[in-house]
Amino acid sequence: AQKVTQAQTEISVVEKEDVTLDCVYETRDTTYYLFWYKQPPSGELVFLIRRNSFDEQNEISGRYSWNFQKSTSSFNFTITASQVVDSAVYFCALLEYGNKLVFGAGTILRVKS
Amino acid sequence: GAGVSQSPSNKVTEKGKDVELRCDPISGHTALYWYRQSLGQGLEFLIYFQGNSAPDKSGLPSDRFSAERTGGSVSTLTIQRTQQEDSAVYLCASALYADQLEAFFGQGTRLTVV
Repeated sequence: AQKVTQAQTEISVVEKEDVTLDCVYETRDTTYYLFWYKQPPSGELVFLIRRNSFDEQNEISGRYSWNFQKSTSSFNFTITASQVVDSAVYFCALLEYGNKLVFGAGTILRVKS
Repeated sequence: GAGVSQSPSNKVTEKGKDVELRCDPISGHTALYWYRQSLGQGLEFLIYFQGNSAPDKSGLPSDRFSAERTGGSVSTLTIQRTQQEDSAVYLCASALYADQLEAFFGQGTRLTVV
């Protein structure tokens, strides 16, 4: 069965610290997609990134970077120089056959000024 | 519209009543999804529409739950004889195509059953 594990329930950091959110997934598919979403207090899920299983290149977008390692089935997300506005719940998700997103439990990130 | 719109944003209902939750997807998006976010269960898939048909209803938790989509646009999720365990945030998402490579989510409807 497909599964996404976000072992960190909650992380608190002080502004300007770097923080890494962990994501480990399980799937028997050879072709799959992984996602990160941000859920701010307003409630909507904001798409951050999508990776397919054939592209293991790390990606950087501003202060955000993602480390995809198939060998360890991990897709970790790092925020560099965190800001208060980064405070949110972050979800890692796996696109399952049949077009369903399987979400991890989410990690609450609190960035204090 | 500019984004996925859900209404109402909040709904409090008495146990046993029926409720309807509405989702207006982004114009032109053919795929529409319902998810439920509840404490202890995280984000769970409920149902997926491609156009007006629902190829996958596997996530609907019971026969009290149903959904329809008309005109390839608006979708309604109906919960009959609500129970307290139905209390959750119901999220709708739409995507241009069914592969959901980039789905856009609404802000959700927070349902509280008292």
